[in-house]
Amino acid sequence: NAGVTQTPKFQVLKTGQSMTLQCAQDMNHNSMYWYRQDPGMGLRLIYYSASEGTTDKGEVPNGYNVSRLNKREFSLRLESAAPSQTSVYFCASPGTSGILSWGETQYFGPGTRLLVL
Amino acid sequence: AQKITQTQPGMFVQEKEAVTLDCTYDTSDQSYGLFWYKQPSSGEMIFLIYQGSYDEQNATEGRYSLNFQKARKSANLVISASQLGDSAMYFCAMSSFSGGYNKLIFGAGTRLAVHP
Repeated sequence: NAGVTQTPKFQVLKTGQSMTLQCAQDMNHNSMYWYRQDPGMGLRLIYYSASEGTTDKGEVPNGYNVSRLNKREFSLRLESAAPSQTSVYFCASPGTSGILSWGETQYFGPGTRLLVL
Repeated sequence: AQKITQTQPGMFVQEKEAVTLDCTYDTSDQSYGLFWYKQPSSGEMIFLIYQGSYDEQNATEGRYSLNFQKARKSANLVISASQLGDSAMYFCAMSSFSGGYNKLIFGAGTRLAVHP
């Protein structure tokens, strides 16, 4: 998937526990994104990072924090997990140019399945 | 508000036949892109095809073509000669460059089942 990797692939948490989802891209791209996928709702943007050192909220940011550690890595943190955060999480990075462009597609990592009990 | 609508929760088709998956969109942007992604049961998101709002010709990629009707705000995916491996969820998405970043807005998806 165009050099986007995610860890872990699957995680089970208890309500109130915390965890960090890791994402890395090896394409030297500036922008990176975190989405969540819920049944019947497609994918929704949680946070994005236009460049190293910058992050901004997307459509559904509540309950999450992010860190753009360097150009390669963009992590998503759940400080106190809730059952409503049970979802599949995808990290994405733009296509060929790696810069912000309306015509740019996004390539996705393999996803992390999170179950919060 | 920008929105993608996929009205077919599920579709089935016989192997080797063609199938059309519907997608309509709503946007006030002059420039935008339309995308289709495939999600097999393994869960990864696979980019299939892209159409720019200013592109006059319909996009094609192998057995995939995008039937773009700008006046009707539709961007239907046509899969020719369906194969068993085409069974998957299919998502239509639209790019929106607003607030300083390129965001993808997704529809709810259509599950396609290809029967032998």
